[in-house]
Amino acid sequence: KQEVTQIPAALSVPEGENLVLNCSFTDSAIYNLQWFRQDPGKGLTSLLLIQSSQREQTSGRLNASLDKSSGRSTLYIAASQPGDSATYLCAVIPPLVFGKGTRLSVIA
Amino acid sequence: EAQVTQNPRYLITVTGKKLTVTCSQNMNHEYMSWYRQDPGLGLRQIYYSMNVEVTDKGDVPEGYKVSRKEKRNFPLILESPSPNQTSLYFCASSSRTGGITAYEQYFGPGTRLTVT
Repeated sequence: KQEVTQIPAALSVPEGENLVLNCSFTDSAIYNLQWFRQDPGKGLTSLLLIQSSQREQTSGRLNASLDKSSGRSTLYIAASQPGDSATYLCAVIPPLVFGKGTRLSVIA
Repeated sequence: EAQVTQNPRYLITVTGKKLTVTCSQNMNHEYMSWYRQDPGLGLRQIYYSMNVEVTDKGDVPEGYKVSRKEKRNFPLILESPSPNQTSLYFCASSSRTGGITAYEQYFGPGTRLTVT
């Protein structure tokens, strides 16, 4: 059964730092991997979708990489801002399995 | 605008009183699903539907029912709600056809349910 793990569970950084969030999965037979952002009590906002044939995707200050063979994905956030504070979730498909997320706090 | 809508957004009810949470998507997606999110447990899938009239259980289906009579709608039914179903519920949809956006999940805004 696919299992998705996100480490660390929580992270606090000063504003302006570059940071990396990690996502690992046990079964490499995935179609794609999706990163989401969730603000407290709110819905999930899709950040990046990486197809299994791709190695990375970029959107603004965000860069997500995928290494299927090692069962790992990273989300790189450049020049972090207080507005980046949220919980970041990764999900692998199929089946749709979520990690428990990394709660990020960016301190001004 | 492509979106998934859920109603109601907030609901407080009493044990045993049947309720329905609606979910609708305007993207002609084949796949729809329901999740609940609880502190420390993350997102867990309740039910999913691969297409009209095709539904299947997820990881935590007990106490819930679904139906998929139309492609755009996927309501979640709690026939006899109990306090342990107090949670934040999300509906999601995705396309299963080919292309770079296949399987990309779109989520509704969530429904916060409290059962007293």
